[in-house]
Amino acid sequence: EADIYQTPRYLVIGTGKKITLECSQTMGHDKMYWYQQDPGMELHLIHYSYGVNSTEKGDLSSESTVSRIRTEHFPLTLESARPSHTSQYLCAGAAGDEQFFGPGTRLTVL
Amino acid sequence: QKEVEQDPGPLSVPEGAIVSLNCTYSNSAFQYFMWYRQYSRKGPELLMYTYSSGNKEDGRFTAQVDKSSKYISLFIRDSQPSDSATYLCAMKTSYDKVIFGPGTSLSVIP
Repeated sequence: EADIYQTPRYLVIGTGKKITLECSQTMGHDKMYWYQQDPGMELHLIHYSYGVNSTEKGDLSSESTVSRIRTEHFPLTLESARPSHTSQYLCAGAAGDEQFFGPGTRLTVL
Repeated sequence: QKEVEQDPGPLSVPEGAIVSLNCTYSNSAFQYFMWYRQYSRKGPELLMYTYSSGNKEDGRFTAQVDKSSKYISLFIRDSQPSDSATYLCAMKTSYDKVIFGPGTSLSVIP
């Protein structure tokens, strides 16, 4: 089983708050991804990284930002949370084409 | 038209049934095809990975790819209640990112 860790698992927060969703991995993957998933909908790629100091925006426009200062960590930050950010956020690391997913963070913005 | 189409279900079958899950796609450049299984409140996990037309078998699971018809399938034999989950198809070109289908929700009734 791939070791992709995400914290917190669940988060309920008020509008306007700054939040950081943590993602860490122990497998040394260079490639890491953040996806947004709503019920019954496909995963939408919002950010990805191919290595330290490399970050790119994905296909889905997002007001979040990411950083990749260390291989192991790929945190996602929302500077000012809004109800439209309510969703499940999935982090993944990749070896070749195979992506290993974390358990996800379910975010609710009131 | 979305690049990857998948019937969202829900699909409900009795234990022991053969399950057929399907995806169609529009991009003829897709070369790599994957099936992920996602349990409720968990991240997706890779079930099958293939890059050629034809069948690939792994235990009770068979992945089938028909590139001429742009159609892929996942068959589950002797389905079990533990197979109840959402099944996501995914695919990619040789150089681009993975595109996921919206998933089919499957319930196997004891």
